[in-house]
Amino acid sequence: DVKVTQSSRYLVKRTGEKVFLECVQDMDHENMFWYRQDPGLGLRLIYFSYDVKMKEKGDIPEGYSVSREKKERFSLILESASTNQTSMYLCASSLRYFTDTQYFGPGTRLTVL
Amino acid sequence: GESVGLHLPTLSVQEGDNSIINCAYSNSASDYFIWYKQESGKGPQFIIDIRSNMDKRQGQRVTVLLNKTVKHLSLQIAATQPGDSAVYFCAEGETSGSRLTFGEGTQLTVNP
Repeated sequence: DVKVTQSSRYLVKRTGEKVFLECVQDMDHENMFWYRQDPGLGLRLIYFSYDVKMKEKGDIPEGYSVSREKKERFSLILESASTNQTSMYLCASSLRYFTDTQYFGPGTRLTVL
Repeated sequence: GESVGLHLPTLSVQEGDNSIINCAYSNSASDYFIWYKQESGKGPQFIIDIRSNMDKRQGQRVTVLLNKTVKHLSLQIAATQPGDSAVYFCAEGETSGSRLTFGEGTQLTVNP
């Protein structure tokens, strides 16, 4: 089974802090994704990566950056956290093609005070 | 019972009944559609997908129907069980593209 793990289930940070969310997948998938999930808005794509050191902006990249130094690991960075970034963050990975199934991690619920 | 996607976010059914969850998609160019299930405290889990060259696809106890004319997708769950209680949401995309657009989801509650 594909396993996607995220570094924290719950995280509380203060406004202005730098926040790192990490995601690791164990199935040698090429694609990795970061989404945020908010009530009434569904899942929205922040960034994705289709290869090591490659990244593409999603629909809502403002205020975020990403890093993919190794194939299995994809990090989401909030350079200066703000209260409107309080959300559930979900990481996903897929094998190679766009239509390959995306496997999700359990999510990190981030609260920014 | 029947849910009308984004406008009716909850659906309550009796155990053993069939459930129908609907989704209206917006992009007429979308040719790939997926249903996900998300249980409380967990990430979304793939259920079934369908491409636009098909109208219907069946899995284990689930059937997805696609009506491209009215841009409508539905998920039918047969003999709904308490373990089916979750949020279900659809996603659409273009195979020539690189991303999916997700719906808000419908909360399915199965009453014993």
